[in-house]
Amino acid sequence: DTGVSQNPRHKITKRGQNVTFRCDPISEHNRLYWYRQTLGQGPEFLTYFQNEAQLEKSRLLSDRFSAERPKGSFSTLEIQRTEQGDSAMYLCASSSLAGVATQYFGPGTRLTVL
Amino acid sequence: DQQVKQNSPSLSVQEGRISILNCDYTNSMFDYFLWYKKYPAEGPTFLISISSIKDKNEDGRFTVFLNKSAKHLSLHIVPSQPGDSAVYFCAATRFSGGGADGLTFGKGTHLIIQP
Repeated sequence: DTGVSQNPRHKITKRGQNVTFRCDPISEHNRLYWYRQTLGQGPEFLTYFQNEAQLEKSRLLSDRFSAERPKGSFSTLEIQRTEQGDSAMYLCASSSLAGVATQYFGPGTRLTVL
Repeated sequence: DQQVKQNSPSLSVQEGRISILNCDYTNSMFDYFLWYKKYPAEGPTFLISISSIKDKNEDGRFTVFLNKSAKHLSLHIVPSQPGDSAVYFCAATRFSGGGADGLTFGKGTHLIIQP
């Protein structure tokens, strides 16, 4: 049983650079979610997909952020022109539509913007 | 505006005793609640959940209680074990049966189990 995987696990970049993260959900999970967590806070919802359709975007998802799930399987989250305030743990989660709301999280990608 | 609040940043409990973690919410639209456990540098791990149509759910050493009128839930761990030391997050969402919206999390409670 493979869980949610995320790559890379760590990313260090310079301010102004673009970064892209990948999330592979649990097989056959229809919904995929992205969250961001900063120090001392709980995870904050960014966006989610049902299959390839992006159903909701949080107001936290500025224009510099874009997420895709082109074939309804893995997803990518891109941040353009990174800022120091983007430094955080980016978490991905997936869930099935089989009548349960439980979301299963991956290990996260730690982004540090210098 | 915090819609899910965990007012105790930390809690210290002796091994073998009961740990009680509390959570309050303000959004009446929430109808499904979850507890997650998190170790440093790892993603949250699902522990237990409860639907708003119930007031209690048990799974082994973990029990979650929901008081809808007070908009309050609590997680009981009994007996507490050293491996339970972690940060615990309360989360809430709307669940339509066809799937859940994004989760709204509290800030977490750091549970420390003393030997």
